[in-house]
Amino acid sequence: GAVVSQHPSWVICKSGTSVKIECRSLDFQATTMFWYRQFPKQSLMLMATSNEGSKATYEQGVEKDKFLINHASLTLSTLTVTSAHPEDSSFYICSAPNQGPEAFFGQGTRLTVV
Amino acid sequence: GEDVEQSLFLSVREGDSSVINCTYTDSSSTYLYWYKQEPGAGLQLLTYIFSNMDMKQDQRLTVLLNKKDKHLSLRIADTQTGDSAIYFCAESISNNDMRFGAGTRLTVKP
Repeated sequence: GAVVSQHPSWVICKSGTSVKIECRSLDFQATTMFWYRQFPKQSLMLMATSNEGSKATYEQGVEKDKFLINHASLTLSTLTVTSAHPEDSSFYICSAPNQGPEAFFGQGTRLTVV
Repeated sequence: GEDVEQSLFLSVREGDSSVINCTYTDSSSTYLYWYKQEPGAGLQLLTYIFSNMDMKQDQRLTVLLNKKDKHLSLRIADTQTGDSAIYFCAESISNNDMRFGAGTRLTVKP
């Protein structure tokens, strides 16, 4: 299947700093990518849809100024958590559909804010 | 609102079959998926089924879909210890809207 790579796999940062997470489609182009957040022992919650060449679409309750999304190219979307706080600590996962009905997921990024 | 529901835990013995069940509420779902997540990892697509199909088989995996009852199941034959993971059921209405269940933690005992 298609490969989606996420970087970094884990990151620890201090409160108030910003963290950037990258999501790359390695062997296909993705005009759309999705960003999810997963709390421990819970399901994935869609945060936003990243669109190449246009603004991201955020789900209700997700602060667009806090979670900045940039779809820089057909193979790269980035999520920047700005002014991170401990409550932002979570597992963030991206996915990208590859033309068909399948959506391929990155390996996830565990963010810990101390 | 629409929900995808799964039982949270399932425990089986190695070699037995595992059946993980899922119910969904949106009748306009086009595709239904099963994903596997191992600890600290992303989601691995196991299989998916188009909503006009009743069954799909892929090696040890069998997916059954009862569209009338909005019930989806995943059967894993000859379950192995390496199958221990969390299994997520998901429905897709459009490419932009994918909803996940809470996940079923499968434990395989030797």
